Amino acid sequence: NAGVTQTPKFQVLKTGQSMTLQCAQDMNHEYMSWYRQDPGMGLRLIHYSVGAGITDQGEVPNGYNVSRSTTEDFPLRLLSAAPSQTSVYFCASGQGGNNEQFFGPGTRLTVL
Amino acid sequence: KQEVTQIPAALSVPEGENLVLNCSFTDSAIYNLQWFRQDPGKGLTSLLLIQSSQREQTSGRLNASLDKSSGRSTLYIAASQPGDSATYLCAVRFGNEKLTFGTGTRLTIIP
Repeated sequence: NAGVTQTPKFQVLKTGQSMTLQCAQDMNHEYMSWYRQDPGMGLRLIHYSVGAGITDQGEVPNGYNVSRSTTEDFPLRLLSAAPSQTSVYFCASGQGGNNEQFFGPGTRLTVL
Repeated sequence: KQEVTQIPAALSVPEGENLVLNCSFTDSAIYNLQWFRQDPGKGLTSLLLIQSSQREQTSGRLNASLDKSSGRSTLYIAASQPGDSATYLCAVRFGNEKLTFGTGTRLTIIP
Protein backbone atom coordinates (compact mmCIF):
# COMPACT_ATOMS: atom_id res chain seq x y z
CA ASN A 1 0.00 0.00 0.00
CA ALA A 2 1.17 3.50 -0.81
CA GLY A 3 -0.78 4.88 2.16
CA VAL A 4 -1.63 8.58 1.87
CA THR A 5 -0.08 10.37 -1.10
CA GLN A 6 -0.02 14.10 -1.82
CA THR A 7 0.91 16.09 -4.90
CA PRO A 8 2.68 18.35 -5.54
CA LYS A 9 5.41 18.38 -2.87
CA PHE A 10 6.23 22.04 -3.47
CA GLN A 11 4.29 24.85 -5.12
CA VAL A 12 4.80 28.58 -5.56
CA LEU A 13 1.80 30.71 -6.47
CA LYS A 14 1.19 34.37 -7.06
CA THR A 15 -1.54 36.16 -5.15
CA GLY A 16 -4.90 35.55 -6.79
CA GLN A 17 -3.97 32.34 -8.57
CA SER A 18 -5.94 29.17 -8.00
CA MET A 19 -4.76 25.63 -7.59
CA THR A 20 -5.73 22.21 -6.31
CA LEU A 21 -3.74 20.15 -3.85
CA GLN A 22 -4.25 16.47 -4.48
CA CYS A 23 -4.65 13.79 -1.82
CA ALA A 24 -5.28 10.09 -2.32
CA GLN A 25 -5.33 7.04 -0.06
CA ASP A 26 -5.46 3.36 -0.89
CA MET A 27 -6.52 2.02 2.51
CA ASN A 28 -10.29 2.29 1.88
CA HIS A 29 -10.60 4.81 4.71
CA GLU A 30 -13.89 6.60 5.09
CA TYR A 31 -12.51 9.61 6.99
CA MET A 32 -10.18 12.10 5.32
CA SER A 33 -9.04 15.52 6.42
CA TRP A 34 -6.83 18.48 5.53
CA TYR A 35 -4.58 20.36 7.95
CA ARG A 36 -2.23 23.27 7.65
CA GLN A 37 0.91 23.56 9.75
CA ASP A 38 2.35 26.95 10.61
CA PRO A 39 5.31 27.68 12.90
CA GLY A 40 4.31 27.99 16.54
CA MET A 41 0.65 27.19 15.87
CA GLY A 42 0.51 23.44 15.51
CA LEU A 43 -1.65 21.72 12.94
CA ARG A 44 -5.08 23.19 12.33
CA LEU A 45 -7.99 21.42 10.67
CA ILE A 46 -9.22 23.00 7.42
CA HIS A 47 -11.90 20.60 6.12
CA TYR A 48 -12.80 16.99 6.66
CA SER A 49 -14.96 14.27 5.13
CA VAL A 50 -16.62 11.29 6.78
CA GLY A 51 -17.30 9.57 3.46
CA ALA A 52 -17.84 10.07 -0.25
CA GLY A 53 -20.20 12.97 -0.88
CA ILE A 54 -19.95 14.33 2.68
CA THR A 55 -17.68 17.20 3.72
CA ASP A 56 -17.60 19.64 6.61
CA GLN A 57 -15.62 22.62 7.80
CA GLY A 58 -12.85 22.53 10.32
CA GLU A 59 -11.21 25.27 12.34
CA VAL A 60 -9.82 27.38 9.46
CA PRO A 61 -11.95 26.76 6.32
CA ASN A 62 -11.99 30.25 4.79
CA GLY A 63 -10.36 30.43 1.36
CA TYR A 64 -10.47 26.68 0.81
CA ASN A 65 -12.95 24.35 -0.89
CA VAL A 66 -13.14 20.57 -0.88
CA SER A 67 -15.18 17.82 -2.48
CA ARG A 68 -15.23 14.07 -2.04
CA SER A 69 -16.53 12.24 -5.09
CA THR A 70 -14.72 8.97 -4.35
CA THR A 71 -13.50 7.19 -1.23
CA GLU A 72 -9.89 7.43 -2.42
CA ASP A 73 -9.53 11.13 -3.29
CA PHE A 74 -9.97 14.33 -1.33
CA PRO A 75 -8.64 17.39 -3.21
CA LEU A 76 -8.23 20.80 -1.58
CA ARG A 77 -8.85 23.86 -3.75
CA LEU A 78 -7.54 27.35 -3.23
CA LEU A 79 -9.75 29.62 -5.32
CA SER A 80 -7.75 32.85 -4.98
CA ALA A 81 -4.46 32.35 -3.18
CA ALA A 82 -3.35 34.87 -0.55
CA PRO A 83 0.04 35.24 1.20
CA SER A 84 -1.66 34.16 4.45
CA GLN A 85 -2.12 30.73 2.87
CA THR A 86 1.62 30.16 2.74
CA SER A 87 1.97 27.01 4.81
CA VAL A 88 2.60 23.29 4.78
CA TYR A 89 -0.52 21.30 4.01
CA PHE A 90 -1.11 17.77 5.23
CA CYS A 91 -3.79 15.31 4.24
CA ALA A 92 -4.76 12.51 6.60
CA SER A 93 -7.06 9.52 6.56
CA GLY A 94 -8.47 7.03 9.04
CA GLN A 95 -10.98 4.20 9.12
CA GLY A 96 -13.22 6.58 10.99
CA GLY A 97 -12.94 9.99 12.57
CA ASN A 98 -12.16 8.44 15.93
CA ASN A 99 -9.62 5.93 14.68
CA GLU A 100 -5.88 6.18 14.19
CA GLN A 101 -5.04 8.82 11.60
CA PHE A 102 -2.38 8.41 8.91
CA PHE A 103 -0.75 11.42 7.32
CA GLY A 104 0.65 12.14 3.90
CA PRO A 105 4.11 13.68 3.29
CA GLY A 106 2.76 17.21 2.89
CA THR A 107 2.72 19.99 0.31
CA ARG A 108 4.80 23.09 0.96
CA LEU A 109 2.95 26.08 -0.54
CA THR A 110 4.33 29.58 -0.92
CA VAL A 111 2.10 32.44 -2.06
CA LEU A 112 3.93 35.54 -3.23
CA LYS B 1 -11.66 26.21 24.67
CA GLN B 2 -10.15 22.76 24.23
CA GLU B 3 -6.39 23.07 24.09
CA VAL B 4 -3.36 20.80 23.99
CA THR B 5 -0.02 21.92 25.41
CA GLN B 6 3.41 20.38 25.10
CA ILE B 7 6.21 21.59 27.35
CA PRO B 8 9.12 21.96 26.83
CA ALA B 9 9.25 23.09 23.22
CA ALA B 10 12.75 21.60 22.87
CA LEU B 11 14.73 18.99 24.74
CA SER B 12 18.30 17.67 24.38
CA VAL B 13 19.29 14.37 25.95
CA PRO B 14 22.51 12.27 25.80
CA GLU B 15 22.25 9.02 23.88
CA GLY B 16 21.22 6.03 25.97
CA GLU B 17 19.15 7.93 28.49
CA ASN B 18 15.48 7.28 29.15
CA LEU B 19 13.26 10.31 28.68
CA VAL B 20 9.69 11.49 29.08
CA LEU B 21 7.76 13.87 26.85
CA ASN B 22 4.72 15.63 28.24
CA CYS B 23 1.30 16.49 26.85
CA SER B 24 -1.48 18.23 28.77
CA PHE B 25 -5.05 18.94 27.72
CA THR B 26 -7.80 21.14 29.10
CA ASP B 27 -10.85 18.85 28.92
CA SER B 28 -10.93 15.39 30.52
CA ALA B 29 -13.78 14.27 28.23
CA ILE B 30 -11.53 12.95 25.51
CA TYR B 31 -12.18 10.16 23.03
CA ASN B 32 -8.57 9.21 22.37
CA LEU B 33 -5.05 10.60 22.18
CA GLN B 34 -2.43 9.97 19.51
CA TRP B 35 1.33 10.52 19.55
CA PHE B 36 3.18 11.29 16.31
CA ARG B 37 6.75 11.97 15.32
CA GLN B 38 7.70 14.39 12.58
CA ASP B 39 11.11 14.50 10.97
CA PRO B 40 12.25 17.81 9.43
CA GLY B 41 10.45 18.49 6.15
CA LYS B 42 8.44 15.29 6.42
CA GLY B 43 4.94 14.19 7.27
CA LEU B 44 3.65 12.82 10.56
CA THR B 45 4.27 9.22 11.54
CA SER B 46 1.80 7.69 13.97
CA LEU B 47 3.49 6.20 17.03
CA LEU B 48 0.77 5.24 19.48
CA LEU B 49 -2.97 5.66 19.88
CA ILE B 50 -4.53 5.49 23.34
CA GLN B 51 -8.29 5.17 23.71
CA SER B 52 -9.96 6.99 26.60
CA SER B 53 -10.62 3.66 28.34
CA GLN B 54 -6.92 2.74 28.32
CA ARG B 55 -4.17 3.77 30.72
CA GLU B 56 -1.19 3.02 28.50
CA GLN B 57 0.05 1.65 25.20
CA THR B 58 3.46 0.23 24.33
CA SER B 59 5.35 -0.19 21.09
CA GLY B 60 8.96 -1.31 21.27
CA ARG B 61 10.94 1.27 23.26
CA LEU B 62 7.94 3.61 23.44
CA ASN B 63 5.32 3.71 26.16
CA ALA B 64 2.49 6.21 26.27
CA SER B 65 0.34 6.76 29.33
CA LEU B 66 -2.95 8.55 29.78
CA ASP B 67 -4.41 10.15 32.90
CA LYS B 68 -7.70 11.78 31.96
CA SER B 69 -8.47 13.06 35.45
CA SER B 70 -5.32 15.17 35.50
CA GLY B 71 -5.44 16.00 31.79
CA ARG B 72 -2.04 14.52 31.05
CA SER B 73 -0.29 12.06 28.79
CA THR B 74 3.37 11.12 28.73
CA LEU B 75 5.49 9.45 26.07
CA TYR B 76 8.35 7.48 27.57
CA ILE B 77 11.30 6.62 25.32
CA ALA B 78 13.70 4.03 26.66
CA ALA B 79 17.40 3.86 25.80
CA SER B 80 17.30 6.84 23.46
CA GLN B 81 19.16 6.72 20.13
CA PRO B 82 20.24 9.47 17.70
CA GLY B 83 17.54 8.20 15.32
CA ASP B 84 14.92 9.24 17.87
CA SER B 85 15.74 12.89 17.14
CA ALA B 86 12.56 14.46 15.76
CA THR B 87 9.61 16.58 16.77
CA TYR B 88 7.01 14.71 18.78
CA LEU B 89 3.40 15.81 18.50
CA CYS B 90 0.49 14.99 20.76
CA ALA B 91 -3.05 15.13 19.34
CA VAL B 92 -6.27 14.80 21.33
CA ARG B 93 -9.70 13.93 20.02
CA PHE B 94 -12.20 15.69 22.28
CA GLY B 95 -15.13 13.58 21.11
CA ASN B 96 -16.13 15.63 18.08
CA GLU B 97 -14.17 13.70 15.44
CA LYS B 98 -11.62 16.51 15.19
CA LEU B 99 -8.04 16.22 16.35
CA THR B 100 -6.54 19.07 18.33
CA PHE B 101 -2.74 19.19 18.14
CA GLY B 102 -0.11 20.47 20.49
CA THR B 103 2.78 22.48 19.07
CA GLY B 104 5.24 19.66 19.70
CA THR B 105 8.50 18.99 21.50
CA ARG B 106 11.67 19.03 19.39
CA LEU B 107 13.87 16.23 20.71
CA THR B 108 17.61 16.04 20.04
CA ILE B 109 19.57 12.98 21.10
CA ILE B 110 23.25 13.83 21.56
CA PRO B 111 25.63 11.02 20.47
